[in-house]
Amino acid sequence: QKEVEQNSGPLSVPEGAIASLNCTYSDRGSQSFFWYRQYSGKSPELIMFIYSNGDKEDGRFTAQLNKASQYVSLLIRDSQPSDSATYLCAVTDPRTGGFKTIFGAGTRLFVKA
Amino acid sequence: GAVVSQHPSWVICKSGTSVKIECRSLDFQATTMFWYRQFPKQSLMLMATSNEGSKATYEQGVEKDKFLINHASLTLSTLTVTSAHPEDSSFYICSGVAGGGEKLFFGSGTQLSVL
Repeated sequence: QKEVEQNSGPLSVPEGAIASLNCTYSDRGSQSFFWYRQYSGKSPELIMFIYSNGDKEDGRFTAQLNKASQYVSLLIRDSQPSDSATYLCAVTDPRTGGFKTIFGAGTRLFVKA
Repeated sequence: GAVVSQHPSWVICKSGTSVKIECRSLDFQATTMFWYRQFPKQSLMLMATSNEGSKATYEQGVEKDKFLINHASLTLSTLTVTSAHPEDSSFYICSGVAGGGEKLFFGSGTQLSVL
């Protein structure tokens, strides 16, 4: 079982729709959770982080965390073509005291104009 | 957010040569720098962790004599790929962390192509 699992996609949504990206992780001890956006040929950029169960909203982005289900999601409202990218889910590795981060393989999102 | 400057952005070299990649934290002191490698359509794989003034810690399967890491100051870390071969062709990315934080600030990445 992979430590951080994501559907590779591609996930295709029309402009203006809500894009829902999902991620599961294997280690219950993980404490911190991140979503990074990576455009093709570029390095990742942090867009959201969440530490507690529930929802966290920042502009058009909402991160959701359910530690009991070991599940993290990212919602993108009013999706724009510029949101087309690969979204990486990342969790801190409790075996390293949270020092290291484990990345999922990413979900490719296409927003159609 | 914090800025990490990475150079070069891309490099093409002949097999057997060495390539140095530099990462500088511009507006914060990176006590730790992580070096990642990413193959096409795959996730980031951690290669090594460097802390200022000490030897780097390499992940299992990463050859420390091939991938030389130096973290001489709180603002500069370098990765040298020695005797590069075509299988070393990849996207290399550094990421700095300030003082025990968890958020990663990535450099812009270096696309290495070894002919």
